[in-house]
Amino acid sequence: NAGVTQTPKFQVLKTGQSMTLQCAQDMNHNSMYWYRQDPGMGLRLIYYSASEGTTDKGEVPNGYNVSRLNKREFSLRLESAAPSQTSVYFCASSEARLVGAGNTIYFGEGSWLTVV
Amino acid sequence: AQKITQTQPGMFVQEKEAVTLDCTYDTSDQSYGLFWYKQPSSGEMIFLIYQGSYDEQNATEGRYSLNFQKARKSANLVISASQLGDSAMYFCAMREPSGGYQKVTFGTGTKLQVIP
Repeated sequence: NAGVTQTPKFQVLKTGQSMTLQCAQDMNHNSMYWYRQDPGMGLRLIYYSASEGTTDKGEVPNGYNVSRLNKREFSLRLESAAPSQTSVYFCASSEARLVGAGNTIYFGEGSWLTVV
Repeated sequence: AQKITQTQPGMFVQEKEAVTLDCTYDTSDQSYGLFWYKQPSSGEMIFLIYQGSYDEQNATEGRYSLNFQKARKSANLVISASQLGDSAMYFCAMREPSGGYQKVTFGTGTKLQVIP
């Protein structure tokens, strides 16, 4: 069972470079999320997609864009990377419905991004 | 305003003793869900326990139980008989409605260290 797969696992970028983090899930979930994790800040929601074709900003969307390519895939793009975006990024997915909704959020293994 | 508040950045517990990790939440919705996740030093996010807002009984999963006090808006995690392998970061999270689907936000986490 693949679950949630995100790539790359590690990346070093120079300031101003762009890159895309890829995420795919094979559980037929409607909702997908991108979080960043910084020391002492916990997981902060960058963007989420409640369903295919929709995306919404989370707590810290500045400097990022997302694309919900299809039901399986949700990518996160850094157009012009900054050192403040050095972080660990997690993709996650869950069942979307509120009534009888699943009780688990599934996470990818994380992507360690360093911007120098 | 913080949706999820974890006021204990770090906790110590003696092996085999019980420990309570605090979590308070803020929502005006009637239908929501509360999660606890464990993140060991290896980085993966491990689902521990879930409590729905309409669940009358406190959730339990093995050595984990969730002390749900709806009126106080608290969802504390209780770990009984602590083991060395319980040393990790613990995150509380809330699922709440967002346009008919769900949005999930996390607290800043509590670092638990189990002492032999």
